[in-house]
Amino acid sequence: QVQLVESGGGVVQPGRSLRLSCAASGFTFSSYGMHWVRQAPGKGLEWVAIAWHDGGNKFYSDSVKGRFTISRDDSKNTLYLQMNSLRAEDTAVYYCARAHSSSWAYFDYWGQGTLVTVSS
Amino acid sequence: QSALTQPASVSGSPGQSITISCTGTSSDVGGYNYVSWYQHHPGKAPKLMIYDVSNRPSGVSNRFSGSKSGNTASLTISGLQAEDEADYYCTSYTSSATLVFGTGTKVTVL
Repeated sequence: QVQLVESGGGVVQPGRSLRLSCAASGFTFSSYGMHWVRQAPGKGLEWVAIAWHDGGNKFYSDSVKGRFTISRDDSKNTLYLQMNSLRAEDTAVYYCARAHSSSWAYFDYWGQGTLVTVSS
Repeated sequence: QSALTQPASVSGSPGQSITISCTGTSSDVGGYNYVSWYQHHPGKAPKLMIYDVSNRPSGVSNRFSGSKSGNTASLTISGLQAEDEADYYCTSYTSSATLVFGTGTKVTVL
């Protein structure tokens, strides 16, 4: 069965960096686009970024563009999110999600999330 | 990119129908048919309920239906059941080749 397991969250000071990982199993990772989505405490879901299955195309939300980098290692079935220049407003649970087979605009499987807290 | 606008809450009695709206602009909801809806029970992974405006994934009850008119998409839940109580989010593809979520709607079954 499809499994997505995020890791790497924790408490980090403003301005510092953190890298999240998402280990995938149960499907051919290289054939699917992969997203990061976040949810701040008490807030709604917010799309963060996508890496297409070919690895060449990557898109970001305006709120993280230039600070976050999404990448993937298909040999390790792992998705990454490098987060630099972190701000308090980046505090959230970060989920990785698989793009639906019909379109990268949808998510069909999600991980359970990893909490990132940006605080001094 | 601003979040799509949804009502904060919608409620209904068991067996009733409710509709959740999702309002965007011509640069997102109105410009593309890449609109989807997710059901999110707190502490669980969100579940895809509708994609391509009105298509249901396999396994999703036909009590859930989607539609779109202009810049507003809608999710209708008919025959409301206690298990439908959850948060619901719409999403849309945008002209910037990004995705945007709605503000979220809490559905309460009275």
